[in-house]
Amino acid sequence: DQQVKQNSPSLSVQEGRISILNCDYTNSMFDYFLWYKKYPAEGPTFLISISSIKDKNEDGRFTVFLNKSAKHLSLHIVPSQPGDSAVYFCAATSYDKVIFGPGTSLSVIP
Amino acid sequence: DAGVTQSPTHLIKTRGQQVTLRCSPKSGHDTVSWYQQALGQGPQFIFQYYEEEERQRGNFPDRFSGHQFPNYSSELNVNALLLGDSALYLCASSLYGDRGYNEQFFGPGTRLTVL
Repeated sequence: DQQVKQNSPSLSVQEGRISILNCDYTNSMFDYFLWYKKYPAEGPTFLISISSIKDKNEDGRFTVFLNKSAKHLSLHIVPSQPGDSAVYFCAATSYDKVIFGPGTSLSVIP
Repeated sequence: DAGVTQSPTHLIKTRGQQVTLRCSPKSGHDTVSWYQQALGQGPQFIFQYYEEEERQRGNFPDRFSGHQFPNYSSELNVNALLLGDSALYLCASSLYGDRGYNEQFFGPGTRLTVL
């Protein structure tokens, strides 16, 4: 029973273009949604979060959009850079218990 | 300022054995969470420790147990190892607060292989 889903295992984007990573969830009780980035041989690194009462949060090149009615969120990276190549995990939390999706591997091509 | 550290980096065990993994939280953090990440999957929540007690637990059997020490460091113990326990084990630390989410900082993980 996967509560957080990332249906695209991989994504390739040209440097300078927009990267859009998608995530769907099933549990309406989640109160925060998170994006983590993971490089090989390192632990996940927190990227950006959004509260369930918001619909958008922006931090530099990263913007997360939340559509509660569709139980869908997305991460936009503009402009994409080669250093953004990593696995991106969507996650949701309820009372500090974090549920991760399976991840999307992003490749930014120079 | 040291981040989250974990030891050992890699470990090889055989079925039926027991293993102990260790985690030191980021300076100033008091809460430790453990995750199991199987190949090609996202991290799966095992349990969380705060004030030396297990606060929350995911869907893992009792073979998985833990401990938190007064200095906030933590251990994860797995008994009667199965082949399916082979995974990357991640530790994350955070500072307890009354918000719904307290940012978790992850260590590099311990790669456990069960033969």
